[in-house]
Amino acid sequence: DGGITQSPKYLFRKEGQNVTLSCEQNLNHDAMYWYRQDPGQGLRLIYYSQIVNDFQKGDIAEGYSVSREKKESFPLTVTSAQKNPTAFYLCASTQGLAGVGGELFFGEGSRLTVL
Amino acid sequence: SQQGEEDPQALSIQEGENATMNCSYKTSINNLQWYRQNSGRGLVHLILIRSNEREKHSGRLRVTLDTSKKSSSLLITASRAADTASYFCATDAGRDDKIIFGKGTRLHILP
Repeated sequence: DGGITQSPKYLFRKEGQNVTLSCEQNLNHDAMYWYRQDPGQGLRLIYYSQIVNDFQKGDIAEGYSVSREKKESFPLTVTSAQKNPTAFYLCASTQGLAGVGGELFFGEGSRLTVL
Repeated sequence: SQQGEEDPQALSIQEGENATMNCSYKTSINNLQWYRQNSGRGLVHLILIRSNEREKHSGRLRVTLDTSKKSSSLLITASRAADTASYFCATDAGRDDKIIFGKGTRLHILP
């Protein structure tokens, strides 16, 4: 079945370590997104990509990095520069341009905890 | 920045009653979408309404959009226990493909 797969579902990190969250989609979607969700909060946009080899910063990009080498993959690296990385991370994708009314399809999320 | 603000933050109603959630936003939009999130899961798309539409229905869902007031409402009729979830509105202005979410309304359906 088509969909978005995020891994790992749970991840623990020591302070000072970089970690990479995986996001893979087989929907043939052009645009992909990373959001961060804190308890009781909405989703805040970290990075998004409309096309391979191109991506833009969202509202809270500091301390994060991404790559888009393949259409189906959009990994997110949480670097040691991110001061408060404990959160629930959600990846999403949409066909074509989201600005023309693209429904977002979400993965099941990755919960990162810093020890 | 968060474009949308849902109201109320939390809502508890009896099963069978109707649930209404509101969303206000700040800037002009192309589309407004509503999503649902069960605890600890990803979001699921419910309905999209375009800026030139005023009302839209999908099953037990009814969404309205008032662009003059920059607000939208989501009505769930004849609520069920399975409707217990958080509901988010999301807007896009079309210029840069950013889709911005509000903080959500936590809906709890009491048996």
